[in-house]
Amino acid sequence: DAGVIQSPRHEVTEMGQEVTLRCKPISGHDYLFWYRQTMMRGLELLIYFNNNVPIDDSGMPEDRFSAKMPNASFSTLKIQPSEPRDSAVYFCASSTEGTGELFFGEGSRLTVL
Amino acid sequence: KQEVTQIPAALSVPEGENLVLNCSFTDSAIYNLQWFRQDPGKGLTSLLLIQSSQREQTSGRLNASLDKSSGRSTLYIAASQPGDSATYLCAAYTSGTYKYIFGTGTRLKVLA
Repeated sequence: DAGVIQSPRHEVTEMGQEVTLRCKPISGHDYLFWYRQTMMRGLELLIYFNNNVPIDDSGMPEDRFSAKMPNASFSTLKIQPSEPRDSAVYFCASSTEGTGELFFGEGSRLTVL
Repeated sequence: KQEVTQIPAALSVPEGENLVLNCSFTDSAIYNLQWFRQDPGKGLTSLLLIQSSQREQTSGRLNASLDKSSGRSTLYIAASQPGDSATYLCAAYTSGTYKYIFGTGTRLKVLA
């Protein structure tokens, strides 16, 4: 049974470049969450979707960040243009309303030079 | 606004000890409280989920309790082993918000 799948696992890019992170939630899960983890700030919720609709994006740090969920099995988090302070591990997680149990992917480690 | 705190931030114990990790939350209107384990460079692995109607959950050597009135949850690890070394995070799922708010974690090291 596949869990939450994220790609790429590692991304190194230069300041100003566009970065796209991808997520496939667990089949049947109707909630999808994007988190960012840094040593300084811990785990921060960026945005979450319910049934492919963005519900709360109050955690998105700036307009440089955008997220989409075109269908129930795919979501993207895009940073354009990227900056060194965006360097972090970005996690995708999914859950169902039934139990509310949250399941995480392995994360995408982003380094912006 | 829900805030979640974990104390201590780091803990080092000899193998075989029973230990308790603490998690405090400010808003008692929680729907779920979930404990996770994170190994270095890895994602978060779900350990235990306690729903608001429950007081505790057990899985093997792990037991988690929830006291909504006092805003506290504890994770009890029995007979600790070096393989238990990891960071443990708790997260509170507040009713009406559908958001899990995370604590900053307790970094546990079990010495052989």
